[in-house]
Amino acid sequence: SQQGEEDPQALSIQEGENATMNCSYKTSINNLQWYRQNSGRGLVHLILIRSNEREKHSGRLRVTLDTSKKSSSLLITASRAADTASYFCATDAGGGADGLTFGKGTHLIIQP
Amino acid sequence: NAGVMQNPRHLVRRRGQEARLRCSPMKGHSHVYWYRQLPEEGLKFMVYLQKENIIDESGMPKERFSAEFPKEGPSILRIQQVVRGDSAAYFCASSATGGTGNTIYFGEGSWLTVV
Repeated sequence: SQQGEEDPQALSIQEGENATMNCSYKTSINNLQWYRQNSGRGLVHLILIRSNEREKHSGRLRVTLDTSKKSSSLLITASRAADTASYFCATDAGGGADGLTFGKGTHLIIQP
Repeated sequence: NAGVMQNPRHLVRRRGQEARLRCSPMKGHSHVYWYRQLPEEGLKFMVYLQKENIIDESGMPKERFSAEFPKEGPSILRIQQVVRGDSAAYFCASSATGGTGNTIYFGEGSWLTVV
């Protein structure tokens, strides 16, 4: 079973709107990371949040972490067409001693 | 992530052939990770290497797959006697230090198609 599972699987919004994606996980973690992947490309690291942090910001990105609910959310504000991509959360548990465990991702489409 | 170089970007192999994927980590990085991504799936950890050492290969299939990171040169992921199910994107990542609390940087991937 997936350690990290993103929700929704797909999201389509209008440019300028905010996009929220959620990630749930099963076991205890030390940190959680969000990545973006454009079609046919590699993953780009967006943000890392540690288990003792509750919220983190980076530009138009806001990540929250609720360890009691084993969940995280990624908010992209004022979305742009260039934000169209798949977004993955990754945790440091369940993927081998040194491997990250990724969910299946949320495919985000920003309509101009 | 542009610093992690993978080649080839696309590789087609017939069943039974060998596939060899190469990865040069970012400058100054001595920790390399390989991940596999099946269509419409997330990435699955395969192996973690440092120079001349395999640190964690818990995600590697038991047969036909091997990885190395020699003292000189790129890291190599080798798949012998490929089968259709090996068709996937293989991503290499590197970091300056070990441990998943550090940011790892991904390459653009190598897309393997087995026909």
